[in-house]
Amino acid sequence: DTVLTQSPALAVSPGERVSISCRATEGVKSYMHWYQQKPGQQPKLLIYKASNLASGVPARFSGSGSGTDFTLTIDPVEADDTATYFCQQSWNDPNTFGAGTKLELK
Amino acid sequence: EVQLVESGGGLVQPGRSLKLSCLASGFTFSNYGMNWIRQAPGKGLEWVASITSSSSFIYYADTVKGRFTISRDNAKNTLYLQMTSLRSEDTALYYCAKLRDGGYDYWGQGVMVTVSS
Repeated sequence: DTVLTQSPALAVSPGERVSISCRATEGVKSYMHWYQQKPGQQPKLLIYKASNLASGVPARFSGSGSGTDFTLTIDPVEADDTATYFCQQSWNDPNTFGAGTKLELK
Repeated sequence: EVQLVESGGGLVQPGRSLKLSCLASGFTFSNYGMNWIRQAPGKGLEWVASITSSSSFIYYADTVKGRFTISRDNAKNTLYLQMTSLRSEDTALYYCAKLRDGGYDYWGQGVMVTVSS
């Protein structure tokens, strides 16, 4: 299976820019997607196919990358962005998720 | 407004069965592939099973293959997951999710399944 590696946690101050990385053990073309999950809630799609903003998602969120290295950027970070962020690849079967990056605000 | 509402979860003994349902509304259910994804307490997300719009193709994670069955009734706008031979490691919050462009653009609120004696 394709393993997606994310850093476990990040802490940033409101107003800053933060980049969350996701590295795949094999190429996934542009079939990488990003989700935000807040405690007690279901995941919410932020970015699909590496760089496409999902409906209703603020333009502060952006995605980039292809192949094996991908980045979710939030600029500027707001207090409400405190959450866990997951990447997911759908190019290789089975589709797999990263373990998540917990974003905390200072 | 797209809504996915799961039901059917609960506490079940190891080896027993349970059937989950997911009622969809707000979109043309019969046009989209659907999936079950689970999340063990305090853990990450694990894809469980997927079914194409007309049920032509069905796929399972190796961890549930042979024990779980995904199905759908397009006339009732409902997705199902029949789970048999349940194990403690199946304990999780089960989400149904709508598939779009390889990602999951809508998720239900989840239904908890606890396997314990």
